[in-house]
Amino acid sequence: SQTIHQWPATLVQPVGSPLSLECTVEGTSNPNLYWYRQAAGRGLQLLFYSVGIGQISSEVPQNLSASRPQDRQFILSSKKLLLSDSGFYLCAWALPGGGLQPQHFGDGTRLSIL
Amino acid sequence: SQKIEQNSEALNIQEGKTATLTCNYTNYSPAYLQWYRQDPGRGPVFLLLIRENEKEKRKERLKVTFDTTLKQSLFHITASQPADSATYLCALSNTNAGKSTFGDGTTLTVKP
Repeated sequence: SQTIHQWPATLVQPVGSPLSLECTVEGTSNPNLYWYRQAAGRGLQLLFYSVGIGQISSEVPQNLSASRPQDRQFILSSKKLLLSDSGFYLCAWALPGGGLQPQHFGDGTRLSIL
Repeated sequence: SQKIEQNSEALNIQEGKTATLTCNYTNYSPAYLQWYRQDPGRGPVFLLLIRENEKEKRKERLKVTFDTTLKQSLFHITASQPADSATYLCALSNTNAGKSTFGDGTTLTVKP
């Protein structure tokens, strides 16, 4: 069966520090991969999605970047964190097939910027 | 721009009753509509998907309707239980790379 791993679960970082969040998927090949951010009490804001290795689409201009160095690995990064980068970050995967395929989420990383 | 609105207030119901959650959208013609459940501190979990040419979909105690004329989906939980308490998110998508637009969710509390 397929599983998705996301770490760390919580992270506290100072303003201006770098960031690297990692997400890996097991049990499937060539998945679509997604990074979302969720503010408290709000829905999910799509940050990046990827349909293949090295293919990244950015949805919102921001201080973050994403990379997909391997088929089932998706990394969210920042060179210098801002206070506004605080939030709940979720990684998800889906089978290719457009919106017909449900997305499967990890348990997220709670990022606090001090 | 695309806009999705779910019940603006949290929904509180008594155990055994039917919960009905609303998802309205504007400036969008989705091919698919999905419903997810999210528990505090966890990622959303997929529940049901309904296509634009389907009026209704059922899964156990769950029922989803999709009215493309009204631009609305209704999500029903029958015989609700306290374990159904969670936030429910609707998501709209089309065929473009599986990108989905999520609503802000409705928090449901089922009281025993």
